[in-house]
Amino acid sequence: KAGVTQTPRYLIKTRGQQVTLSCSPISGHRSVSWYQQTPGQGLQFLFEYFSETQRNKGNFPGRFSGRQFSNSRSEMNVSTLELGDSALYLCASSWGDRDPYEQYFGPGTRLTVT
Amino acid sequence: AQSVTQLGSHVSVSEGALVLLRCNYSSSVPPYLFWYVQYPNQGLQLLLKYTSAATLVKGINGFEAEFKKSETSFHLTKPSAHMSDAAEYFCAVVATGSQGNLIFGKGTKLSVKP
Repeated sequence: KAGVTQTPRYLIKTRGQQVTLSCSPISGHRSVSWYQQTPGQGLQFLFEYFSETQRNKGNFPGRFSGRQFSNSRSEMNVSTLELGDSALYLCASSWGDRDPYEQYFGPGTRLTVT
Repeated sequence: AQSVTQLGSHVSVSEGALVLLRCNYSSSVPPYLFWYVQYPNQGLQLLLKYTSAATLVKGINGFEAEFKKSETSFHLTKPSAHMSDAAEYFCAVVATGSQGNLIFGKGTKLSVKP
């Protein structure tokens, strides 16, 4: 069974631009969660989508948004990029509706904002 | 609020020695707990999960963890370290009422000396 895939793997953007990251979950999984990983803050939850609806949201500004399509693929968008948005963005998929809710992670997208 | 504390940001052991990585959690309800491993420039790989079926949980690569409710701990162990175990390890708990949200500890970087 194919794992979680994320595209692109690396991205360099300029401050003020916007960026869209993509995540394809494991086949059959209906939940996709997004995390930001930085050396200073560690792993922080951004949001979770389940069956095309945002089910949970972390404490990030409105510049961070996402969506999920009918095939469970998800995209995350960051508008008006800031230097502090440089991070590894990880997505994870799970069934979403059964214990114990373990998540399977993709390789991540490394975003650098200059 | 729930939290996960990993004692020791860096742990160094000799090859063949016991590995012990500590994790304490705070949760008002029985938790779902996980250990993940991250190799450089990669995503997170699930090592093992606590599902309340058994307090001693066996995972991949020879790792195991013991859930101790009285100590609110879920420490990760491996009897004999291998060079390939060098990586960063994260303990995580599912946020109460937010099953798509994993709360992570700060991580412990494991070094293995020959």
